[in-house]
Amino acid sequence: GQQVMQIPQYQHVQEGEDFTTYCNSSTTLSNIQWYKQRPGGHPVFLIQLVKSGEVKKQKRLTFQFGEAKKNSSLHITATQTTDVGTYFCAGRGTGNQFYFGTGTSLTVIP
Amino acid sequence: DSGVTQTPKHLITATGQRVTLRCSPRSGDLSVYWYQQSLDQGLQFLIQYYNGEERAKGNILERFSAQQFPDLHSELNLSSLELGDSALYFCASSVAGDSFYEQYFGPGTRLTVT
Repeated sequence: GQQVMQIPQYQHVQEGEDFTTYCNSSTTLSNIQWYKQRPGGHPVFLIQLVKSGEVKKQKRLTFQFGEAKKNSSLHITATQTTDVGTYFCAGRGTGNQFYFGTGTSLTVIP
Repeated sequence: DSGVTQTPKHLITATGQRVTLRCSPRSGDLSVYWYQQSLDQGLQFLIQYYNGEERAKGNILERFSAQQFPDLHSELNLSSLELGDSALYFCASSVAGDSFYEQYFGPGTRLTVT
């Protein structure tokens, strides 16, 4: 079946370092959404990408959607302790199912 | 606060039992999604309803069922519970039925099966 994998599963960075998580789908996605889940919290929507090759920025966060619409990335510049959490990509694939990626847990060391 | 409410917050029950989780979507949202998140696991999509009708089905077990009522609240029924069903169950809502709208998640219901 369709899978959406994210790498790395865990990432520890020093505050101020950059961070990137990669999202890869086994099939084409109609769109990609990114969510952040703080420890003990619920997922919160960050952004949506729809077009092939699309790039969007939110302050220190940069999101990309691959040309083939099968992969995406989230890059955080100069991480802060407030960036701690698990980042999930998500999208609608074949069969109308909604798939969440496996998530990347980010720890920021002050 | 996302505007999505879920009850109860916590539920402890025994194997073989049946429970019902309830979700009220944000005002104006017509679509409800249910997800299961096990310890150290990602979010597994279970099922989606849009305006009372089933819209999409994910990895939902036959022991589980859901419905969306005319007032748009939704219930997830879990029966013949097993230890492995212990998880955090999230409900999310969105304005419409397709994937191009952000989902607003509720605080979740933590189910413990003993």
